[in-house]
Amino acid sequence: QQQVKQSPQSLIVQKGGISIINCAYENTAFDYFPWYQQFPGKGPALLIAIRPDVSEKKEGRFTISFNKSAKQFSLHIMDSQPGDSATYFCAASKGGNSGYALNFGKGTSLLVTP
Amino acid sequence: KAGVTQTPRYLIKTRGQQVTLSCSPISGHRSVSWYQQTPGQGLQFLFEYFSETQRNKGNFPGRFSGRQFSNSRSEMNVSTLELGDSALYLCASSLDGSTYGYTFGSGTRLTVV
Repeated sequence: QQQVKQSPQSLIVQKGGISIINCAYENTAFDYFPWYQQFPGKGPALLIAIRPDVSEKKEGRFTISFNKSAKQFSLHIMDSQPGDSATYFCAASKGGNSGYALNFGKGTSLLVTP
Repeated sequence: KAGVTQTPRYLIKTRGQQVTLSCSPISGHRSVSWYQQTPGQGLQFLFEYFSETQRNKGNFPGRFSGRQFSNSRSEMNVSTLELGDSALYLCASSLDGSTYGYTFGSGTRLTVV
């Protein structure tokens, strides 16, 4: 079953606006929550990631908000640009170096209009 | 440094055939993981190899197999191809098998006709 649920499936935002993508997870053993960005014809690329010991992490225009009690996390893209148009995936995994899998959400297709 | 290299980039096979995909990890990375990406199911974990040993396996039939060589390069094999195996196959490498340091390749687009 889908261990990470992501919404919305698609999103259209005007240039300069805020894009918000939400994810929810079930497994409380997860302790690593990355967001990936994927352009057509390319593999996913790590955008930003968070551990559950912090509630927010910001890198440039990208911010992850994390709510451990609700088992939810979200990606905010401030001042969205046309170049941000891509598919975004949230993911979750257990930590450590034992070869655990990344459990991905189904993705959000973001279109930023000029 | 060079990224994760997957070959070939595109592949067309006929139902019932078998196929082998290759992944060369980032130099020094000892772990390779494989994922299948389809529009319907999204990204799903196939398996992870570390130092030539499969440590973790996803929920895929036995037709999907893999191996890792002593230089950390990995191959994935799918036998008796089905139409539903059409997908983008991605590999990710990391230094020690941790998902923290995952770097994905650009994938192999497999089409089964």
